[in-house]
Amino acid sequence: DVQLQESGPGLVKPSQSLSLTCTVTGYSITSDYAWNWIRQFPGNKLEWMGYISYSGSTSYNPSLKSRISITRDTSKNQFFLQLNSVTTEDTATYYCARGDGFAYWGQGTLVTVSA
Amino acid sequence: DIKMTQSPSSMYASLGERVTITCKASQDINSYLSWFQQKPGKSPKTLIYRANRLVDGVPSRFSGSGSGQDYSLTISSLEYEDMGIYYCLQYDEFPTFGAGTKLELK
Repeated sequence: DVQLQESGPGLVKPSQSLSLTCTVTGYSITSDYAWNWIRQFPGNKLEWMGYISYSGSTSYNPSLKSRISITRDTSKNQFFLQLNSVTTEDTATYYCARGDGFAYWGQGTLVTVSA
Repeated sequence: DIKMTQSPSSMYASLGERVTITCKASQDINSYLSWFQQKPGKSPKTLIYRANRLVDGVPSRFSGSGSGQDYSLTISSLEYEDMGIYYCLQYDEFPTFGAGTKLELK
């Protein structure tokens, strides 16, 4: 069964970088699909942030393009999110999801940006 | 960006009632549409992908339909466990979400 799990710091200071890991079990991230990061703001609005494909190509939401990087470690079947220069507006629950219609999601991790 | 207009934003329905939620895309999305259910404190649960394909394990009372710009999610006979917030998502171009429909028990 495919499972995704996010991990990383729950608190980040303004102007610093946010770094999260998505660990995938039950499916190789190099086999197929795009592997996505999505966030949900307080108030429930959802925003797609970007993906890394099974081949290693990336695509990012234009609104984040200057601040975001998605990479992977195929040996650990993990992919990563880095978001630079965070502000309080980046406070959200961050999810990773598999991109076949987004059929599989992680449980999410809350990241608060605060001094 | 493709804008997804979801309606209604909230609704009350009775157990056993047929419920329909709609999403309209700002352009043709070629049936690249998913529907999710989310309960408080939980991650979204995908119900439908590719507009009308039921995810394994999702009850058959859920169904999706539509094409072009217009899509709908139908619950044929509402059960208590169906309360929650429902979202649509298009993934024809870079993915965008509807604003959600909060479904509550009448």
